[in-house]
Amino acid sequence: NAGVTQTPKFQVLKTGQSMTLQCAQDMNHEYMSWYRQDPGMGLRLIHYSVGAGITDQGEVPNGYNVSRSTTEDFPLRLLSAAPSQTSVYFCASQGSTEAFFGQGTRLTVV
Amino acid sequence: GQQLNQSPQSMFIQEGEDVSMNCTSSSIFNTWLWYKQDPGEGPVLLIALYKAGELTSNGRLTAQFGTTRKDSFLNISASIPSDVGIYFCAGHFNFGNEKLTFGTGTRLTIIP
Repeated sequence: NAGVTQTPKFQVLKTGQSMTLQCAQDMNHEYMSWYRQDPGMGLRLIHYSVGAGITDQGEVPNGYNVSRSTTEDFPLRLLSAAPSQTSVYFCASQGSTEAFFGQGTRLTVV
Repeated sequence: GQQLNQSPQSMFIQEGEDVSMNCTSSSIFNTWLWYKQDPGEGPVLLIALYKAGELTSNGRLTAQFGTTRKDSFLNISASIPSDVGIYFCAGHFNFGNEKLTFGTGTRLTIIP
């Protein structure tokens, strides 16, 4: 009963470094998404995917790339990290309406 | 885009008190969801509402889908220490369009 698995749980990056946040789900959901959570801002949608090979931008996509080669995996890439990307990142897997979240990745960019 | 206003932003209550929070939308939703987030964890689904006027309970939690379809309410009765956390509402707009819109959250703190 893994549900949604995110790795890593914590990460510190230097400005300009790149990294990939991993997300995997075992619920066979077509729809997956990435959110960032900042104090007082709630959950803001970064990118989403409605199935393998299909991705689209959300509310705050700048600085992030995604791809969806399989139903199970939906990685989020930061190409050149900036301090403004310091945040908590959540991956979600969704059936028709209900979304299930991973435990989050706390990212600090220094 | 759609906006969800969630209130209050924070609540400080004593154990045993009842809690009420709400969300209002500028647009109609077809589904309302309520999540709870514990510190250091991801949001966990508490209650899902699918029909205007629907009232659904999950233990001490009761949520309602407003009749205008633009609002939803969550009540917690007889609060206990494990109720501490952030509560989020979320709305689902169109069937076939899976995007959820989230409220900004209500942070619940229980005063000893």
